[in-house]
Amino acid sequence: AQKITQTQPGMFVQEKEAVTLDCTYDTSDPSYGLFWYKQPSSGEMIFLIYQGSYDQQNATEGRYSLNFQKARKSANLVISASQLGDSAMYFCAMRGNTGGFKTIFGAGTRLFVKA
Amino acid sequence: GAGVSQTPSNKVTEKGKYVELRCDPISGHTALYWYRQSLGQGPEFLIYFQGTGAADDSGLPNDRFFAVRPEGSVSTLKIQRTERGDSAVYLCASSLRPGQPGYQETQYFGPGTRLLVL
Repeated sequence: AQKITQTQPGMFVQEKEAVTLDCTYDTSDPSYGLFWYKQPSSGEMIFLIYQGSYDQQNATEGRYSLNFQKARKSANLVISASQLGDSAMYFCAMRGNTGGFKTIFGAGTRLFVKA
Repeated sequence: GAGVSQTPSNKVTEKGKYVELRCDPISGHTALYWYRQSLGQGPEFLIYFQGTGAADDSGLPNDRFFAVRPEGSVSTLKIQRTERGDSAVYLCASSLRPGQPGYQETQYFGPGTRLLVL
């Protein structure tokens, strides 16, 4: 069975500092994809970053980077130079690449950016 | 171009009633997903369509839930004999199919339908 675990219900960070949001996963699929989404208070889900299980390098998208440690089954999101607009819920998700496109989400981490 | 749209944005119904929730995906997206998000939780997968067929409906909680996509574009999620526990935000997402030109590893989400069962 697939599982995503986000152990931080809430996180605080000072504006302009970096923050790491934790995500661990479990899967028996040999090939899978890992995602991070942002959900502001308005409710829409916004795609941030993707990491394939066979990608050699950690994914980066602007201020977002994914710290992928395959042996530890972790896929932490690093947000650099935090901005007030980064305050939102952040969800880690996984999709196995065999047997369909079912995507499993974690419970989320609420990030608060302080001025 | 237009994003994923969902109607209605809010739906209030009484226990035992039937409801239909509609999703209009991004034009050309062959993959369509339905999720349910309860308060304070992450989205929970319900069903995945590839074209007109349900390729994976393993997330539907019981036989009161059913979804269709008859022409491979618009999809309708149908809930019979609604229960108070069905209250949640129902999210729809769409994407291209791997191999299609322009494919990216992401799903594009709609704004959701907030369902309240009294």
